[in-house]
Amino acid sequence: KNQVEQSPQSLIILEGKNCTLQCNYTVSPFSNLRWYKQDTGRGPVSLTIMTFSENTKSNGRYTATLDADTKQSSLHITASQLSDSASYICVVRLSGGSYIPTFGRGTSLIVHP
Amino acid sequence: NAGVTQTPKFRVLKTGQSMTLLCAQDMNHEYMYWYRQDPGMGLRLIHYSVGEGTTAKGEVPDGYNVSRLKKQNFLLGLESAAPSQTSVYFCASFSLEDYTEAFFGQGTRLTVV
Repeated sequence: KNQVEQSPQSLIILEGKNCTLQCNYTVSPFSNLRWYKQDTGRGPVSLTIMTFSENTKSNGRYTATLDADTKQSSLHITASQLSDSASYICVVRLSGGSYIPTFGRGTSLIVHP
Repeated sequence: NAGVTQTPKFRVLKTGQSMTLLCAQDMNHEYMYWYRQDPGMGLRLIHYSVGEGTTAKGEVPDGYNVSRLKKQNFLLGLESAAPSQTSVYFCASFSLEDYTEAFFGQGTRLTVV
């Protein structure tokens, strides 16, 4: 069964600190992986997409990495801000025209002042 | 640009009552999805549609029905609400050209008492 596992389930850090969120997947054949940010009470919003050939991609203070061989991705947040408090969801899509992406359960990040 | 709009945002139902949740998107997307999100469970797919007039079951379809009579609208119905259907419901749409990024509505918080 295609699965996406995220760790940790929750994380608390101090403002200004860095953190890394992990996503391991068994989805095959792999097409791409997206990281979404979901603020409390809102729908998820895409942060970045990683395709098979990409290793690293940055979006401001967010940097995503992908190791397609080990089927692992990470999302690194630099110099965290209070507004980074949210749930971060990893979503993987199959190649071959699958209509249904596979969602991880998310990592809940709380940034304290 | 409204994107994906869900109606209503909040609702309280009594067990056995029925209701319809409306999802409207103005991006001309072909694919539309209904998810429910429960604490610790992540987003789970209820039903989805790959085009006007077509629907299919997702991971947790029992107790729900859907209709897609117009391309821009996707309706989710609860015929006889149960307390187990207390959840936050999200609608999402994808483009046929790039069905990797999901655009989500703001969610509907439903409580069944």
